[in-house]
Amino acid sequence: GESVGLHLPTLSVQEGDNSIINCAYSNSASDYFIWYKQESGKGPQFIIDIRSNMDKRQGQRVTVLLNKTVKHLSLQIAATQPGDSAVYFCADIYANTGNQFYFGTGTSLTVIP
Amino acid sequence: ETGVTQSPTHLIKTRGQQVTLRCSSQSGHNTVSWYQQALGQGPQFIFQYYREEENGRGNFPPRFSGLQFPNYSSELNVNALELDDSALYLCASSLDSYNEQFFGPGTRLTVL
Repeated sequence: GESVGLHLPTLSVQEGDNSIINCAYSNSASDYFIWYKQESGKGPQFIIDIRSNMDKRQGQRVTVLLNKTVKHLSLQIAATQPGDSAVYFCADIYANTGNQFYFGTGTSLTVIP
Repeated sequence: ETGVTQSPTHLIKTRGQQVTLRCSSQSGHNTVSWYQQALGQGPQFIFQYYREEENGRGNFPPRFSGLQFPNYSSELNVNALELDDSALYLCASSLDSYNEQFFGPGTRLTVL
């Protein structure tokens, strides 16, 4: 089955610094990717998405980079704030299933004031 | 615009019992997906409903079943509960099966 994994389970950054969260996927047919943020006791919250015909997409303070050659996805958060502390998941979907998103284990981001 | 809602928030059941969890999709969304999230893990896909029909299923046994109603709300039913069914159950709605999914707050199920 599909495996979407994260390189580091935890990440601590100083407030104001930039954060980079990485994700690897195994299926070259994956063609749509989403980053979610999950705070304690809440459901995942959509952050940003990217389709496989793009290699970069920017949102407000966030950028997602997609490297299809090495099957790697990253989420960059600029000027990290205490409110960014949460678990971040990448999820992918591919044409084989068309409806099933696969989630990684998640990276726990802690912002140090 | 109303977001995805789920009920109940928390639930405690004993092994062997049955449970029904409910989800109201976001306005305009016709697709609902259910996920199980164990502690410290990412969500695992259970199944998806599109316009009242099951539209894909993950690696879960038949005792996990569901329904979607004409208003696109949905239920997840679990029979013969096992201890390992203890988890956060998440519902997500989307415009269709291949678009961003918006999650509800989840139902925390504890099986004793």
